Amino acid sequence: NAGVTQTPKFRVLKTGQSMTLLCAQDMNHEYMYWYRQDPGMGLRLIHYSVGEGTTAKGEVPDGYNVSRLKKQNFLLGLESAAPSQTSVYFCASSAPGELFFGEGSRLTVL
Amino acid sequence: SQQGEEDPQALSIQEGENATMNCSYKTSINNLQWYRQNSGRGLVHLILIRSNEREKHSGRLRVTLDTSKKSSSLLITASRAADTASYFCATAYNFNKFYFGSGTKLNVKP
Repeated sequence: NAGVTQTPKFRVLKTGQSMTLLCAQDMNHEYMYWYRQDPGMGLRLIHYSVGEGTTAKGEVPDGYNVSRLKKQNFLLGLESAAPSQTSVYFCASSAPGELFFGEGSRLTVL
Repeated sequence: SQQGEEDPQALSIQEGENATMNCSYKTSINNLQWYRQNSGRGLVHLILIRSNEREKHSGRLRVTLDTSKKSSSLLITASRAADTASYFCATAYNFNKFYFGSGTKLNVKP
């Protein structure tokens, strides 16, 4: 079982560039999430989705967009990357009472 | 912020000792979960305790929840070097949104 798969695992961007992080889950979960993890800050919720075609804002949504065109995929986009978006990004999907995480995508914005 | 806060931020113990970490949160919750993160990896679910439960066990893990104090504790008994990781509490304010604290970094010395 693959579980939750994130691509790419590493990426370096220049300020102003755009990119998309892809999350795929094979557990048929309705709910999917994007978090960012920064040193000393724990995980902060960026956006989430409660089903195909739906998205909602979390704690820190500014500068990010998301799409959930297919149930198994949840995309996180950065339209114009900023150094403040340097972080490790985690995707998760949930069954009732439990989150399943991907291995993370480390993004550096120069 | 709706995040929980873990205490202590870091904990160093000898193998065989017990490790206790605490989590405090701000508003009423549906459930509280604990997760573990090995260095450079995604988070893994350990245990869930519902708001109407006071204590729960799973193997060497014991979780307590005091809703009047808005706090929870995670006890790992007879710790092993392999328990070295960061531990996070996650609070669920409805059944599909989860907020994480900044974590406790546990080091178990062999």
